Amino acid sequence: NAGVTQTPKFRVLKTGQSMTLLCAQDMNHEYMYWYRQDPGMGLRLIHYSVGEGTTAKGEVPDGYNVSRLKKQNFLLGLESAAPSQTSVYFCASSLLAGTSVNEQFFGPGTRLTVL
Amino acid sequence: AQSVTQPDIHITVSEGASLELRCNYSYGATPYLFWYVQSPGQGLQLLLKYFSGDTLVQGIKGFEAEFKRSQSSFNLRKPSVHWSDAAEYFCAVPYNQGGKLIFGQGTELSVKP
Repeated sequence: NAGVTQTPKFRVLKTGQSMTLLCAQDMNHEYMYWYRQDPGMGLRLIHYSVGEGTTAKGEVPDGYNVSRLKKQNFLLGLESAAPSQTSVYFCASSLLAGTSVNEQFFGPGTRLTVL
Repeated sequence: AQSVTQPDIHITVSEGASLELRCNYSYGATPYLFWYVQSPGQGLQLLLKYFSGDTLVQGIKGFEAEFKRSQSSFNLRKPSVHWSDAAEYFCAVPYNQGGKLIFGQGTELSVKP
């Protein structure tokens, strides 16, 4: 099993450009998450999905959109990139939580720089 | 509201010395608690988790953590640190539904020879 994979690993954008980050998991997990990691701020949740076809906003959703058309994939889009979106982006997935909370499995991250 | 605080931004210990990383949480009920480790340039890996039961939890790589309800703490410990333990460590608690986690700001561990 590859676990959680992210594409691309690195990207440099100019202000105003758009891009899509792809996350894929092969563990048949229901839940998927996108985080951003900035120095001194830990990980902050951008958007998440509790199943195919459903998405919801997290802590810092502005400037991002997501889609979960297939259970194994969770896409994060930046329609018009801004320098404030320079960050390291992590995708994670977990089993259906139900009334409990399960471990999240993380991808290796995408380092994005917006000039 | 649920929250988690890691008071120490950066800690340096000598190889072979003991380690304790602090985590304080705010949670309405009996919490679920997690410790993750992030090696340089890598994603996060689960070290250990507490759901219920025994308050001393054993994890991977020789780490353990103790849940203390009276102190609202879940500190991570290791009796003898190895150079390969140099990494950033995150404590996390869930919030609301959907399996979401709140992460602390992280503690960066440096290990000196």
